[in-house]
Amino acid sequence: NAGVTQTPKFRVLKTGQSMTLLCAQDMNHEYMYWYRQDPGMGLRLIHYSVGEGTTAKGEVPDGYNVSRLKKQNFLLGLESAAPSQTSVYFCASSYPRSRVYNEQFFGPGTRLTVL
Amino acid sequence: GIQVEQSPPDLILQEGANSTLRCNFSDSVNNLQWFHQNPWGQLINLFYIPSGTKQNGRLSATTVATERYSLLYISSSQTTDSGVYFCAVEKRIGSNYKLTFGKGTLLTVNP
Repeated sequence: NAGVTQTPKFRVLKTGQSMTLLCAQDMNHEYMYWYRQDPGMGLRLIHYSVGEGTTAKGEVPDGYNVSRLKKQNFLLGLESAAPSQTSVYFCASSYPRSRVYNEQFFGPGTRLTVL
Repeated sequence: GIQVEQSPPDLILQEGANSTLRCNFSDSVNNLQWFHQNPWGQLINLFYIPSGTKQNGRLSATTVATERYSLLYISSSQTTDSGVYFCAVEKRIGSNYKLTFGKGTLLTVNP
């Protein structure tokens, strides 16, 4: 199993450009998440999905859109990139085995720089 | 929202030393995870520990949910233990499943 994978690993954008980050998982997990990590801070949730075709906003959703058309994929889009979106982006997935068990597993991250 | 505080923010050890990292949280939680972010940026799951004690080799963790804290113990530290250790908690409210992360403890183990 590859676990959680992310593409691309690195990307440099100019202000105003758009791009899509792809997250894929092969663990048949129901839930998927997008986080961003900024220097000196922990991770903050952008958007998440509790199943195919469903998405919800997290803590810092502005400037991002997501889609979950297939269970194994979760896409994060930036329609018009801004320098404030320079960050490292992590995708995660989980499979709640009960109402309380929900261990999340993380991908390797995508380092995005917006000039 | 829930607050997560980790201490100390920075820790420097000599190889072979032991250490204890602490995570305090401001409300009751459903889940708690400890992660190690290595120097290459990868987040590695260490423990899923909403309550009780677990051990994995030189690492162990204890969560006292009623007192809202968790401890991560590292014994006989090695240079490969260097990196940032994050505590993250989940308080499920309705359909909100997000993990709230602390700011981490930066551990440096010198040879």
